[in-house]
Amino acid sequence: EVQLVESGGGLVQPGGSLRLSCAASGFSSSGYWMSWVRQAPGKGLEWVANIKQDGSEKFYVDSVRGRFTISRDIAKNSVYLQMNSLRVEDTAVYSCARSVGWSGMDVWGKGTTVTVSS
Amino acid sequence: DIVMTQSPLSLPVTPGEPASISCSSSQSLLHSSGNHFLDWYLQKPGQSPRLLISFTSNRASGVPDRFSGSGSGTDFTLKISRVEAEDVGIYYCMQALHTPTFGQGTKLELK
Repeated sequence: EVQLVESGGGLVQPGGSLRLSCAASGFSSSGYWMSWVRQAPGKGLEWVANIKQDGSEKFYVDSVRGRFTISRDIAKNSVYLQMNSLRVEDTAVYSCARSVGWSGMDVWGKGTTVTVSS
Repeated sequence: DIVMTQSPLSLPVTPGEPASISCSSSQSLLHSSGNHFLDWYLQKPGQSPRLLISFTSNRASGVPDRFSGSGSGTDFTLKISRVEAEDVGIYYCMQALHTPTFGQGTKLELK
């Protein structure tokens, strides 16, 4: 079964760090762009970052650039999101998704919850 | 950033009736390939988003043919020919020409 499973979420204080993981199964994630998309409580979807198949290109939404880093491990068929200097407004469910190009995210994980609060 | 604007934000529909959602972008989504980089997603209550349509009009695998997408330039439309109970949820358009941005979402509910 083609699947994405996120982990690593939790409660963290403002200014803290978390590392999210996204494990792919049933397919090779190295053939796809991989994205992180978040959804704050009661709000809409916000694309956060993506990474090219070979990891050579990475893009970020302005609000996280310089604080978040996306990476991938082909051998582990996984993608990661290192989140530093977390802010209250980063509180959200973070999901990973795959796409062949930038368009058409056709497989999504269920997400992991990040709560930034003192 | 490209700003995506959807309307309406709330859409009550009688089952069996058609429905239409509009999405406009702050700049053209036409790529040099000739494709418009506009996707539609449906997020059902308590679920992750599901891809319905990519490149304006290409239905994703398993998506019923009652869903159709159209548009060009900056104006796009998702149409449902006959709404069914399972179509309830929030519909999002998303541009992928530049760093992706989503519309605010349109909540479809049954009358």
